[in-house]
Amino acid sequence: AQSVSQHNHHVILSEAASLELGCNYSYGGTVNLFWYVQYPGQHLQLLLKYFSGDPLVKGIKGFEAEFIKSKFSFNLRKPSVQWSDTAEYFCAVRGYSSASKIIFGSGTRLSIRP
Amino acid sequence: DGGITQSPKYLFRKEGQNVTLSCEQNLNHDAMYWYRQDPGQGLRLIYYSQIVNDFQKGDIAEGYSVSREKKESFPLTVTSAQKNPTAFYLCASSIAARDNSPLHFGNGTRLTVT
Repeated sequence: AQSVSQHNHHVILSEAASLELGCNYSYGGTVNLFWYVQYPGQHLQLLLKYFSGDPLVKGIKGFEAEFIKSKFSFNLRKPSVQWSDTAEYFCAVRGYSSASKIIFGSGTRLSIRP
Repeated sequence: DGGITQSPKYLFRKEGQNVTLSCEQNLNHDAMYWYRQDPGQGLRLIYYSQIVNDFQKGDIAEGYSVSREKKESFPLTVTSAQKNPTAFYLCASSIAARDNSPLHFGNGTRLTVT
């Protein structure tokens, strides 16, 4: 069965600090991987996605994620965070053989100190 | 503007009553999903539908029911059998079940059962 683990429940950083949020998944086959973000009071929106090809994926607002197949990981990174990055971040995985079933991690709340 | 509309935004019910949450999309998407969001647990999949008149159980389908009579509509009924129905419910859609398409989310319905 598919599963996604996000080990950091709450991360607090100062502005300009570098960010890395962990995401590990469990699935035996080919996967699609996603990071979604939920800003305060807003709906969930796609940050970036990986389907195939270059394992380093760039998304909106300066975010990027690297797919490391051997580690079943898809960590989210940003070199320098801003106060506006305060949000909850969710990693998600879709396994090819499980059709449209998309499974989410428990989320990481990111708080940025101005 | 295309999007997903969930109504109402807030819903209050007495224990023992069934309640139906509305989800409508005008994106012409084939696949639709219902997730439940609880603090610290991320999004958990309740039901999903890849095509009209077809739907599958997600990871936490017990106590819920759905229908997909029209492409644009995927209502969720929270029955009295659901032991802990108070939660934030999110509806989502994607272009096609097997495509590499991300999810588009509605703004959610917060259900409180007392």
